[in-house]
This record gives sequence, structure tokens and C-alpha cells, in this order.
Amino acid sequence: GAVVSQHPSWVICKSGTSVKIECRSLDFQATTMFWYRQFPKQSLMLMATSNEGSKATYEQGVEKDKFLINHASLTLSTLTVTSAHPEDSSFYICSAMDSYGYTFGSGTRLTVV
Amino acid sequence: DAKTTQPPSMDCAEGRAANLPCNHSTISGNEYVYWYRQIHSQGPQYIIHGLKNNETNEMASLIITEDRKSSTLILPHATLRDTAVYYCIVRGYNFNKFYFGSGTKLNVKP
Repeated sequence: GAVVSQHPSWVICKSGTSVKIECRSLDFQATTMFWYRQFPKQSLMLMATSNEGSKATYEQGVEKDKFLINHASLTLSTLTVTSAHPEDSSFYICSAMDSYGYTFGSGTRLTVV
Repeated sequence: DAKTTQPPSMDCAEGRAANLPCNHSTISGNEYVYWYRQIHSQGPQYIIHGLKNNETNEMASLIITEDRKSSTLILPHATLRDTAVYYCIVRGYNFNKFYFGSGTKLNVKP
């Protein structure tokens, strides 16, 4: 079946630095990918829709200048958390649309110290 | 997209069938019902989806009521590895976005 690879699986960074998370569709092309954030004991919250070759669209309340999304190819989308702060610590998950619906990556645990 | 309502948690004995309900009373004619599950600290895993007919695959069965206002996911023989949060999601055919509700935490007990 479809596979979405997300890297890194976990990252610790210092407050004020930037962190990039990669999301790759391994065996299919994805013109659209999605980024979610999940806080402990909460559901997944859609942050933004990543469109290949065009600007991402962000959900209401999500800062586009803080969460930079780039979808430069049909198999790769990246999320950069800029000037990270402890409140950005969360589980970030990407997904891509395939023939069945949506395939999700394994997630990235970000801890900002 | 239609809003879904699920019980926050359910228990099931190992080896028994787990029946997880979902209400989606505002679903419209072209919206699909999807089920995913999330095991702790992992990405959601696709289980099954349907439009109006009942569906079955190697993981589960999906029963959709005739008026499509509710559905039930059935895991025929639950194992301890089925302990997870199960999400019922309604998505329009032309809508790309996938919004998660609060889900049901299924606890499979020995």
C-alpha cells in the first residue's frame, strides 16, 4: 500500500532556532499533502494544506510566517517551524492523499527547550 | 464537512467483537465515512471507508445505516494490539481536507 515517510521521528531544539520536518510519499505522487499538530491527549488539528508548486493554505489561527511549508515536488513537502518556542512542542504529522483516502506519516515529536 | 460524534471510550474483552458507533446526522449525499485509528505516538492508520453500502476488509467491517446518519465499525475479534483511538471522519468527495473529531479510545482487555 501507499507509504508516507516522515523525518525526523523526533527532534529536540533550543528555543529560538528553526526546525525542518520532511514528509515524503514513497510510492505515489501527491499533489496535495496536509500537516497536523497534536498535543498530548488531544485529537489531530489540521494546520495547513500543502499544494505542489503553489502556496500552502493555512487553517484559521495558524501563523503562516511561523510554520513555513514548501511543496517543491510531487513527493516531498516540508514544514519548518521558525523561531521555535516551548509552546511549539508537539507531535507533528503529515499526510498525503492516495487512491483510498489519506496515508499518514509516523509523526515527528518536537521538543523545544 | 459533516460533524461526527463518538463515545470518548469503550472497553472490549480480548477475542470479542468490538463495535464502535459514530453519529453523523448532518452527512450529505456525496460524503464518505472513513475510519482511522491511532496507536499511541504513531500516525493514524487507515481502516476502512464507505459511502452507503456496508463494507468489509481484512481489518474490519463498516455498517452504515440506511439513512446514513450513523455507522458502526466492527472489529470481529479484538486483540490487545487493537487498543487505540478510533476516529470516524466524514469527507466530501470533492473536499480534500480531513478534519478529526475527538475519537473513541478503545481499551481491549485480557
